[in-house]
Amino acid sequence: NAGVTQTPKFQVLKTGQSMTLQCAQDMNHEYMSWYRQDPGMGLRLIHYSVGAGITDQGEVPNGYNVSRSTTEDFPLRLLSAAPSQTSVYFCASSYLGQGDTQYFGPGTRLTVL
Amino acid sequence: QKEVEQDPGPLSVPEGAIVSLNCTYSNSAFQYFMWYRQYSRKGPELLMYTYSSGNKEDGRFTAQVDKSSKYISLFIRDSQPSDSATYLCAMRRAGGTSYGKLTFGQGTILTVHP
Repeated sequence: NAGVTQTPKFQVLKTGQSMTLQCAQDMNHEYMSWYRQDPGMGLRLIHYSVGAGITDQGEVPNGYNVSRSTTEDFPLRLLSAAPSQTSVYFCASSYLGQGDTQYFGPGTRLTVL
Repeated sequence: QKEVEQDPGPLSVPEGAIVSLNCTYSNSAFQYFMWYRQYSRKGPELLMYTYSSGNKEDGRFTAQVDKSSKYISLFIRDSQPSDSATYLCAMRRAGGTSYGKLTFGQGTILTVHP
């Protein structure tokens, strides 16, 4: 199993540009989530999904959209990038009843100029 | 004020030392507690998980929870250079709708030097 994969690994955007961060998992996990990690802030939950077609907001959802059309994929969309969205983004997945044992991807480092 | 406070360090210790990592929290609704380890440029991985107050041991690692004081700790015995990483505490409320909604501390950077 590849586990949780994320693309791209690195990305530089200009303010106002849009882009999609990709996340895929091959473990048939129901639960998937997106976090951002900033210095001194730890990991903060952006959006999460408990299954295909079901998504909900986390702690810091503004400026981000998600959708979940399949069990495997959970893309994160930045609608109009801002410098405040410069961060490292992690996707995670787990079995629904074991949400505390989350499997994280390797992360995407995003810089917004 | 953050719900979960963790000293970011950095913490530098010699090989073989006992390491103590700590988090405090303010929300008494938190019932499940975890420690994640994150190597440089990698995603976090679950290290320890506990629910009740008291100690849980796994090899060289011991997780301790004191709900009355809202304080959790991770102890590493006989620390090794391979333990050098960032350690993140995480916790969540009880209830099925809270699955996966983890609140993380800021992380403590640990370096174990030979």
